[in-house]
Amino acid sequence: DAGVTQSPTHLIKTRGQQVTLRCSPKSGHDTVSWYQQALGQGPQFIFQYYEEEERQRGNFPDRFSGHQFPNYSSELNVNALLLGDSALYLCASSPAGGIQETQYFGPGTRLLVL
Amino acid sequence: GQQLNQSPQSMFIQEGEDVSMNCTSSSIFNTWLWYKQDPGEGPVLLIALYKAGELTSNGRLTAQFGITRKDSFLNISASIPSDVGIYFCAGTYAGNNRKLIWGLGTSLAVNP
Repeated sequence: DAGVTQSPTHLIKTRGQQVTLRCSPKSGHDTVSWYQQALGQGPQFIFQYYEEEERQRGNFPDRFSGHQFPNYSSELNVNALLLGDSALYLCASSPAGGIQETQYFGPGTRLLVL
Repeated sequence: GQQLNQSPQSMFIQEGEDVSMNCTSSSIFNTWLWYKQDPGEGPVLLIALYKAGELTSNGRLTAQFGITRKDSFLNISASIPSDVGIYFCAGTYAGNNRKLIWGLGTSLAVNP
């Protein structure tokens, strides 16, 4: 049973560019959450997708957007990249019909903005 | 906004020693979760707690949901070198729409 997978593993972009990160949830999970983790910090909640809609959002600007597909996979898009967007981006999935707070994380995508 | 206070910030122990870390909140929490994160990896769920007073074990790890619902602790018994990593507490409380709130982590180093 594959866990949560993310791609790419690493990415280097320059300021002003746009980036798309991808996530496939664990089998049987239908809810996907995205987090940003700066070095030495805990994860910060970006948003959560369920039934192809954004259900909740953290304190992130509109430059951060997402999408969920019918197969429950998800994308995180960040426009107009800033140096401060450099971080580890984590995707987490929660089980369908289960307790949504119990989230399982992927290995993350490390984004470096130059 | 809501903050979780996690302590200690870091620990350096000898192999075989027991470890204890805790998290406190200013609000009543509905869920407490403990994660371990290795460098460059995503957090791995260790233990999930859903009821006040609940005590749950996962191998050498034991965690408890505090009776006041404002705290939780994680104990590791007989530590081994592979316990090295950063341990995070996380939880949800009524009114934040079930979003996970995270502590800042406890960095554990184990001397073989």
